[in-house]
Amino acid sequence: DSGVTQTPKHLITATGQRVTLRCSPRSGDLSVYWYQQSLDQGLQFLIQYYNGEERAKGNILERFSAQQFPDLHSELNLSSLELGDSALYFCASSRSSGTSGRAYNEQFFGPGTRLTVL
Amino acid sequence: QKEVEQDPGPLSVPEGAIVSLNCTYSNSAFQYFMWYRQYSRKGPELLMYTYSSGNKEDGRFTAQVDKSSKYISLFIRDSQPSDSATYLCAMSPRNTGFQKLVFGTGTRLLVSP
Repeated sequence: DSGVTQTPKHLITATGQRVTLRCSPRSGDLSVYWYQQSLDQGLQFLIQYYNGEERAKGNILERFSAQQFPDLHSELNLSSLELGDSALYFCASSRSSGTSGRAYNEQFFGPGTRLTVL
Repeated sequence: QKEVEQDPGPLSVPEGAIVSLNCTYSNSAFQYFMWYRQYSRKGPELLMYTYSSGNKEDGRFTAQVDKSSKYISLFIRDSQPSDSATYLCAMSPRNTGFQKLVFGTGTRLLVSP
């Protein structure tokens, strides 16, 4: 158990709908990262928040947005859902912001949310 | 072409075998190299981390980085059925540190008793 929690575990919805995925980081971790894992693309970095502020952005679609709240939990909002959005969504957390340096800033992954869009 | 290429497998070996897992990459700016293990229906967990080139050993696991060839490897000695999982390589460039990890698609390993 990594200490990162994600809810819900499974989500089934229809095209065009909007869903919210929730993540609680490990105690003491300030950074939260969101990833999408699909069979053909593998694990892809979406976005990072550090202490409430957006820090890094990956290949996140405009239909997707995220935020990190004062208690450090984070939510990923997915709207106008398409069939291709069906995937596993992982949240990870780390102690620091993860900017350069040789000391490794390990990311701890949650169990994921499986999203199915019908 | 993807920045990180990884053979998806599955790779099937008998218990006790030496396993070699590999990734190639195209971005010469990558400085941080990681291997994650992912069990079915679980999130990835870090196995090994290496900065720049060289070897690193941790128990039955050895990670190697050859930056001149843009090639990284993970060796598992005396493989066990509990090693059956998907192994993901990940890397990132120095200028973004550990923020934007780029993952391979993963190699599925099956170790039979």
